[in-house]
Parts: sequence; C-alpha cells; structure tokens
Amino acid sequence: GENVEQHPSTLSVQEGDSAVIKCTYSDSASNYFPWYKQELGKGPQLIIDIRSNVGEKKDQRIAVTLNKTAKHFSLHITETQPEDSAVYFCAASIGSGYALNFGKGTSLLVTP
Amino acid sequence: DARVTQTPRHKVTEMGQEVTMRCQPILGHNTVFWYRQTMMQGLELLAYFRNRAPLDDSGMPKDRFSAEMPDATLATLKIQPSEPRDSAVYFCASDREQSYNEQFFGPGTRLTVL
Repeated sequence: GENVEQHPSTLSVQEGDSAVIKCTYSDSASNYFPWYKQELGKGPQLIIDIRSNVGEKKDQRIAVTLNKTAKHFSLHITETQPEDSAVYFCAASIGSGYALNFGKGTSLLVTP
Repeated sequence: DARVTQTPRHKVTEMGQEVTMRCQPILGHNTVFWYRQTMMQGLELLAYFRNRAPLDDSGMPKDRFSAEMPDATLATLKIQPSEPRDSAVYFCASDREQSYNEQFFGPGTRLTVL
C-alpha cells in the first residue's frame, strides 16, 4: 500500500544547531502533510502542517517545505534547544481524505 | 482545556483474555481515529469513524479486533482473544468535521499481553 518514508531514524545535534528531517511519500493524491512531536509517555502533538498548494511554511523556529513533484517534504528546526528533544513524525493524507499515513519517526536529541 | 481522554492508561493481561480500551473524544469532534504504535511498525491506523459511522477499518485484524462508537462521547476498541503480538500503545485521536484539521491525540493505552 501507500507509505511514508522518513529519515534519519535518529538525529543528534548540539544546542543552537539546526535539525532537518526528511520524508517521502508515494500517494500522488496526498494533499495534506502534518508533522507531529511526541514526548516520552505522551501522545503525538501537531507542531506544523502544510497543504499541497503551498511550498513552504514557517512558524518561529520551525519550517516545513514541500516538493509535490518529487513527493518529498522536510522539517527544519533552527536554533535547537534541549526541549526540542523528542520523536518527530511526518505524515501524509491518504488520498485527499481524513486519514493519515505516518512515517516511522525520528528520535531527535539536542545536547547542551 | 479540551483533550482526548483514554482509559485505562496501562493494561496487563494474559493471552486469551478480552481487552477493552475506551476513548472520549474532544466535545464537538466528530471524527475519531484508532492507532497502534510499536517500535517495529511505528504508528499504524487501525480504524476511524465519522459521525459515529465506521469509515475504514481495513487496518484492523478483523478476526479479533472490533471498534465501535456507542455514542458521540465514547469510542471503544476491543480485542478478543488477546495475543502477545497485540502488545503496543493504542492511541485514540479526534478532529472536527472539516478535513485537514489537527488530529488531537489522547495519552494512549499501553497494553501488555503476557
């Protein structure tokens, strides 16, 4: 079936550096791409999303880019802080519907 | 503030026993999703409902899993009989009627089947 590939699976950066997580998807009908952050023992929480009619979106230190032709999208976190340490998931809508396919997650560690 | 609640938070049971997990979506949210999270498979969509009607349950093993929404404030996921491979964290999420709204996740039920 359709799936979402996410890389890297783990990422370690120094505080203040940037972190980039990349995802590819296979369903050409997908038109909604959210990113979720999951802290230990909690459910995933939406941090930013992008729709297919937009190429880039930014919210403070977080930005997402989308290349529909290449079917990939990326999360960029600048000026990382220790509290950014968590597991990040990308997702793509299943077709243009309500449900989402999630990537396998990236465990981000920001060291002081 | 509004949040999705799930009970129980933790469940340990023996193989063959019935397990029922409950979810209360955010008031006013009419789309409810059930996900299973494991280290190997990540977050898998099991089933989802809109206005209490099942829209898709193709991700769910039909022989042992069942999902229902008895009313707008309660969604249930049942496993009968449970097996060790069902051990995982089960998340419920809800969102509003318009598509592409944020899915709000509950805290999850950590299930261990011995």
